Amino acid sequence: EVQLVQSGAEVKKPGESLKISCKGSGYKFTSYWIGWVRQMPGKGLEWMGIIHAGDSETTYSPSFQGQVTISVERSTSTAYLQWSSLQASDTAIYYCARGTIFRGVLHHFDYWGQGTLVTVSS
Amino acid sequence: DIQMAQSPSTLSASIGDRVTITCRASQSISSWLAWYQQKPGKAPELLIYKASSLQSGVPSRFSGSGSGTEFTLTISSLQPDDFATYYCQHYNSFPWTFGQGTKVEIK
Repeated sequence: EVQLVQSGAEVKKPGESLKISCKGSGYKFTSYWIGWVRQMPGKGLEWMGIIHAGDSETTYSPSFQGQVTISVERSTSTAYLQWSSLQASDTAIYYCARGTIFRGVLHHFDYWGQGTLVTVSS
Repeated sequence: DIQMAQSPSTLSASIGDRVTITCRASQSISSWLAWYQQKPGKAPELLIYKASSLQSGVPSRFSGSGSGTEFTLTISSLQPDDFATYYCQHYNSFPWTFGQGTKVEIK
């Protein structure tokens, strides 16, 4: 069974750093992509970026380029989303999702993590 | 970036109603469109991919159609479990983008 299990909720102060995780299981982790999606309180879904778990090729949305870093650790089948300096506007739920591959081409998100709530408040 | 516009933003319907949600892309995305359902407090779930392919395990009352810039998600007979928010998303090119969502409410 494919599963993406995310790390728990975080409460941080503005200016602090943070790294949240997404652990894949039930499939060959390095053959797929992992994407990150933001959902601010009461709002819609925003695509942040995506990384190939095998070769770490990464693409960011222009809206998030330079604001976050996406990475993977293949030895533990885990993807990460990190911030160097959080702002109150980073308060949101962050989802990871698997980008499926069909005939060697990246397609839609087929499995999602349960979400990680990040709260940034002084 | 390709922009996705969904309509309506909110939809009130009764059990058994046929419901249609529209998604328009700002340029052609061929059939590279997915639909997701999100219930309160839960992660989104994939319903439809490649505009009209039903994800395994999704009830057949859900269907998708369209290509190019105009797409629709149809629920043939609305059930209590279908009250949720629905999002379209293109995956034609980076960056992928989502529509703003359509909330389906009980009438």
